[in-house]
Amino acid sequence: KNEVEQSPQNLTAQEGEFITINCSYSVGISALHWLQQHPGGGIVSLFMLSSGKKKHGRLIATINIQEKHSSLHITASHPRDSAVYICAGSSMYSGGGADGLTFGKGTHLIIQP
Amino acid sequence: EAGVAQSPRYKIIEKRQSVAFWCNPISGHATLYWYQQILGQGPKLLIQFQNNGVVDDSQLPKDRFSAERLKGVDSTLKIQPAKLEDSAVYLCASSSALVGGNEKLFFGSGTQLSVL
Repeated sequence: KNEVEQSPQNLTAQEGEFITINCSYSVGISALHWLQQHPGGGIVSLFMLSSGKKKHGRLIATINIQEKHSSLHITASHPRDSAVYICAGSSMYSGGGADGLTFGKGTHLIIQP
Repeated sequence: EAGVAQSPRYKIIEKRQSVAFWCNPISGHATLYWYQQILGQGPKLLIQFQNNGVVDDSQLPKDRFSAERLKGVDSTLKIQPAKLEDSAVYLCASSSALVGGNEKLFFGSGTQLSVL
């Protein structure tokens, strides 16, 4: 059974701080998705990565396949970054296509002005 | 590019009633997912389609839930009869992933269901 563990569960920081959210996953997961969910809002997919590092604006996602660990970083954090950040793993499905995601429990991030 | 469309946005029903949700994925996306997200929890996969075929419905409560994607494009999820514990947000997602692929998922805004 695929598993994804995420930490911390809650994180409060001051505007401008560098934020790191961590995710560990089990054998069988071949790609990691980082998702953002605002209160009352839908889910936005930030990154999907199976190796290396991806960057989009102030967001950076890294993955270490050997250690089965991924991190999401936010540089120069801003109150509008306040949201729930979820990591989710997907596995290669022998029958074709990406398997459904195994979700972490999410990190509730609050950036205070 | 249009995103994943879902309707209705909100639905309130009484227990034992029936309800249906609709999803139109991004054009050309072969894979479609329905997730259930109960307040305070992460999403749980209900069913995954590849074109018009079911890939995984192991967590779908088949005694009351059904889903179809007849033409391999839009999809409907039905609950009949609804229970109080079905109150949740129902999320639809799609991806262009094909055989052996891992692709980014795109989510709809969800349908918030309240069962009274």
